[in-house]
Amino acid sequence: EADIYQTPRYLVIGTGKKITLECSQTMGHDKMYWYQQDPGMELHLIHYSYGVNSTEKGDLSSESTVSRIRTEHFPLTLESARPSHTSQYLCASSRPLAGGYNEQFFGPGTRLTVL
Amino acid sequence: SQQGEEDPQALSIQEGENATMNCSYKTSINNLQWYRQNSGRGLVHLILIRSNEREKHSGRLRVTLDTSKKSSSLLITASRAADTASYFCATAYGGSQGNLIFGKGTKLSVKP
Repeated sequence: EADIYQTPRYLVIGTGKKITLECSQTMGHDKMYWYQQDPGMELHLIHYSYGVNSTEKGDLSSESTVSRIRTEHFPLTLESARPSHTSQYLCASSRPLAGGYNEQFFGPGTRLTVL
Repeated sequence: SQQGEEDPQALSIQEGENATMNCSYKTSINNLQWYRQNSGRGLVHLILIRSNEREKHSGRLRVTLDTSKKSSSLLITASRAADTASYFCATAYGGSQGNLIFGKGTKLSVKP
């Protein structure tokens, strides 16, 4: 099991609420990612970060925002949740392998349901 | 745009049989990786094959890469019930800091 943690694991909230999904890793990895995954479907990259104070948008447009103030912490925030945000959110970090390749380590995910 | 497309979408076999999953992609890649996801959990990295490699082994896993056909296959030999999971290929582009694009996955069920 990788040393990357996500809280909460499950969240059921009402429309319009502001939520923050937490992600922390203790491996000292510089690069971190947020993916969105619907059941039985592929992962879509929504945000990533190269390191402290770096945030980039991914391939899938998302209304969420992220911040990276500390290396180990990469929270994702939704200012006003809607039912269309219902999904599983996976956080990952990566370390460079010999030869410059990246292997990603994933947290257990947060399953979000917006009513 | 999506890179990896796994085939089949679902596979059901008996314990002890071999399982083969295929992945096709569209553009040139830096490397291709396979991940496993148990139900409701995060993904676990299984194996990475570089664009200049053709075959790689790790325990009961064998991965091949055919860059001319833009395809890869993952073979799990002597499967076990614990191998039941979804398997995703992910293609890497853009150099060592590049991101991964994941396919839709193959759902493998191994019956005891």
